[in-house]
Amino acid sequence: DAGVIQSPRHEVTEMGQEVTLRCKPISGHNSLFWYRQTMMRGLELLIYFNNNVPIDDSGMPEDRFSAKMPNASFSTLKIQPSEPRDSAVYFCASSYGPGELFFGEGSRLTVL
Amino acid sequence: DAKTTQPTSMDCAEGRAANLPCNHSTISGNEYVYWYRQIHSQGPQYIIHGLKNNETNEMASLIITEDRKSSTLILPHATLRDTAVYYCIVRPQGAQKLVFGQGTRLTINP
Repeated sequence: DAGVIQSPRHEVTEMGQEVTLRCKPISGHNSLFWYRQTMMRGLELLIYFNNNVPIDDSGMPEDRFSAKMPNASFSTLKIQPSEPRDSAVYFCASSYGPGELFFGEGSRLTVL
Repeated sequence: DAKTTQPTSMDCAEGRAANLPCNHSTISGNEYVYWYRQIHSQGPQYIIHGLKNNETNEMASLIITEDRKSSTLILPHATLRDTAVYYCIVRPQGAQKLVFGQGTRLTINP
């Protein structure tokens, strides 16, 4: 299996632009997680899905952030409009039920 | 969820055993202890988990005290590639989400 696949690996954009991060979980996994990592705040759980349904989005910072999972093999995290403080590495992870989480390589976002 | 306390950083010589402590004094009876690590610029990687008994796999050993208020992750023969941030996490049985703390930055020195 190719593991969790995230794209893009790197994104540089200007303040106010829309950013869309993508994730393909491991086939057969039914839970998907979005994390954000910064030096100041460490690894933060933003939202997670179970069977494509959002279960807990309490970590989503504000309305500028939205996440969708239209099917079992694809999820997006969108930021609109983006701000410099959104600069971070965004990780996607998947698991089967309460099993171990498998993480992707991350998407490094820089907002100028 | 129970909170964990880990040292901010540790050093270990290559080839020696690395022992990483974790305190989780408020752990509940149905909460597991998980360990993940994050090598620079990569996503976190699962290492091991346990409930009460000590556990061992190809990567590490997990020693949990009898009162379950603390645990130690042991890397028996540390290599330079084991340099990473190690996270100790307490997770309720059946829970899906994983909440990361600040972890221990382990540096393996040649």
